[in-house]
Amino acid sequence: AQKITQTQPGMFVQEKEAVTLDCTYDTSDPSYGLFWYKQPSSGEMIFLIYQGSYDQQNATEGRYSLNFQKARKSANLVISASQLGDSAMYFCAMAGSARQLTFGSGTQLTVLP
Amino acid sequence: EAGVAQSPRYKIIEKRQSVAFWCNPISGHATLYWYQQILGQGPKLLIQFQNNGVVDDSQLPKDRFSAERLKGVDSTLKIQPAKLEDSAVYLCASSLDLPGQGSGELFFGEGSRLTVL
Repeated sequence: AQKITQTQPGMFVQEKEAVTLDCTYDTSDPSYGLFWYKQPSSGEMIFLIYQGSYDQQNATEGRYSLNFQKARKSANLVISASQLGDSAMYFCAMAGSARQLTFGSGTQLTVLP
Repeated sequence: EAGVAQSPRYKIIEKRQSVAFWCNPISGHATLYWYQQILGQGPKLLIQFQNNGVVDDSQLPKDRFSAERLKGVDSTLKIQPAKLEDSAVYLCASSLDLPGQGSGELFFGEGSRLTVL
């Protein structure tokens, strides 16, 4: 069984500052992938970043980076230079060998002007 | 490239009525998923198809929910009879990857929001 834990129901960040959203996971699969999705108020799920369990380097996509610490089973999302448009719900998710995404409960990020 | 299409976007019904949601995945995507997202929670997998076969429906409440994927392309999710607790957004997603392959990235539709009164 897979489990994703996001312990921050809500986060606030000042515009142009960096913010870290926490995610821990648990799985018995030897090979897995970790994802972050953004869900604005409109409802669609937008893929942000992916990290494979065997990837040596932390994933980066523009202003998004994933701080992957395998021994600690954590996959935190770092957003640099926050923008007002970053205000949304953020979900951490994991896919094991069955390629089914298991989602955490999400973190509501609010960027303040 | 066209994304995952879902309809209807919104549906309001009374309890004990039936409802059906439709999903057209991205062309060529073999794997299709239906997720249920209750307000304030993360999406929960209901059913996973590979082509027109069911891979996993262990979390589908089979006494009231049913889903099919005819010809391995479009899919419908039906609820009959609906309960108050079925109020949620039903998200359809598709993936190019088969189990054990690729990264497992899912592409989501905009969702169908169901309100049961």
